[in-house]
Amino acid sequence: DAKTTQPPSMDCAEGRAANLPCNHSTISGNEYVYWYRQIHSQGPQYIIHGLKNNETNEMASLIITEDRKSSTLILPHATLRDTAVYYCIVRVEYFGNEKLTFGTGTRLTIIP
Amino acid sequence: KAGVTQTPRYLIKTRGQQVTLSCSPISGHRSVSWYQQTPGQGLQFLFEYFSETQRNKGNFPGRFSGRQFSNSRSEMNVSTLELGDSALYLCASSLGDVSRVGNNEQFFGPGTRLTVL
Repeated sequence: DAKTTQPPSMDCAEGRAANLPCNHSTISGNEYVYWYRQIHSQGPQYIIHGLKNNETNEMASLIITEDRKSSTLILPHATLRDTAVYYCIVRVEYFGNEKLTFGTGTRLTIIP
Repeated sequence: KAGVTQTPRYLIKTRGQQVTLSCSPISGHRSVSWYQQTPGQGLQFLFEYFSETQRNKGNFPGRFSGRQFSNSRSEMNVSTLELGDSALYLCASSLGDVSRVGNNEQFFGPGTRLTVL
């Protein structure tokens, strides 16, 4: 699975959009981009994933560049409850590959 | 639909003892993966079970083992506990179904926090 690079920490004001970048310059054509977050001492929570197209769900939007070498997770209106460590993961999906390789993630702090 | 449940939530053991942790996946999910999280190493993959068979294994010593039952519930066992085994142990479940490629996200439980004294 391709390696990802994320900034170690970011701050965002409450109510503003939080934009979390992820670099995955060695991504291959069949690798998906997944985002998870982990609120302190809880299990990671799935947020969103995508292959090529931008994706949106009730939690966030995922913007993947045309060359797929980077992506941005957007939390449109950040709240204090969005304070967490955010992990960007790239992996190939095939039968039998359930392994997620977590990096160090981005610690996002929402400022009141 | 109920989420992934793990028992116990907290556990204290002493060096040399063994421990068994339990994970009940989301109903209908056939894949269960286990992870260890420590401050120094972060989140690391232990192993994954599907239909009672271990399909994938991380880089952990043989003291770490697991199994899966016919109802997809899974247990992991750590024998001869060491101080360094103190960690948050997480399990995650997914459909694990090849026909769901692209829609096979994993859902994590709250974890079991193991402290080895």
